[in-house]
Amino acid sequence: GAVVSQHPSWVICKSGTSVKIECRSLDFQATTMFWYRQFPKQSLMLMATSNEGSKATYEQGVEKDKFLINHASLTLSTLTVTSAHPEDSSFYICSARDQGVDTEAFFGQGTRLTVV
Amino acid sequence: GEDVEQSLFLSVREGDSSVINCTYTDSSSTYLYWYKQEPGAGLQLLTYIFSNMDMKQDQRLTVLLNKKDKHLSLRIADTQTGDSAIYFCAERRGGTASKLTFGTGTRLQVTL
Repeated sequence: GAVVSQHPSWVICKSGTSVKIECRSLDFQATTMFWYRQFPKQSLMLMATSNEGSKATYEQGVEKDKFLINHASLTLSTLTVTSAHPEDSSFYICSARDQGVDTEAFFGQGTRLTVV
Repeated sequence: GEDVEQSLFLSVREGDSSVINCTYTDSSSTYLYWYKQEPGAGLQLLTYIFSNMDMKQDQRLTVLLNKKDKHLSLRIADTQTGDSAIYFCAERRGGTASKLTFGTGTRLQVTL
């Protein structure tokens, strides 16, 4: 299947700093990418839908100024957690949909963020 | 509503079949998916089914869809210890930019 690469796999940062997470589709073009957050032993919660060349669409309750999303090309979307706090510690996962195939969404390996 | 429900836990013996169930509420779903998540990892797409189908088989995996009852199941034949993971069903309702709504996840434990 198609490959989605997420980087970094894990990051530890100090409270108040910003962290950028990258999501790349390696062998296909993705006009749409999705960012999820997953708490331990829970399901995935969609944070936002990232559209290439336009503003992201955020889900209700997700602060767009806190979680900045940029989808500058058909193969790259980034999520920046600004002024991170311990409550932002979580597992963040991206997915990308192959615009040519459309039926499937492929997921990155996830990023474990720990804010200390 | 957008609820997608799954049972939390399933334990089976190695070699037996596993059946993981999922119920959803929105009849306008277009695609339904099954994903596998191992500890600390992302989601691996196992299979998906279009809403106008009622069954799909792919090697050890069989997906059954009962659209009338809004019930989806995943059967894993000859379950192996490597199948131990969390399984998520997900539904999708629209076009390319439409989101997935995930179920609560079922933890499958395979015992010897």
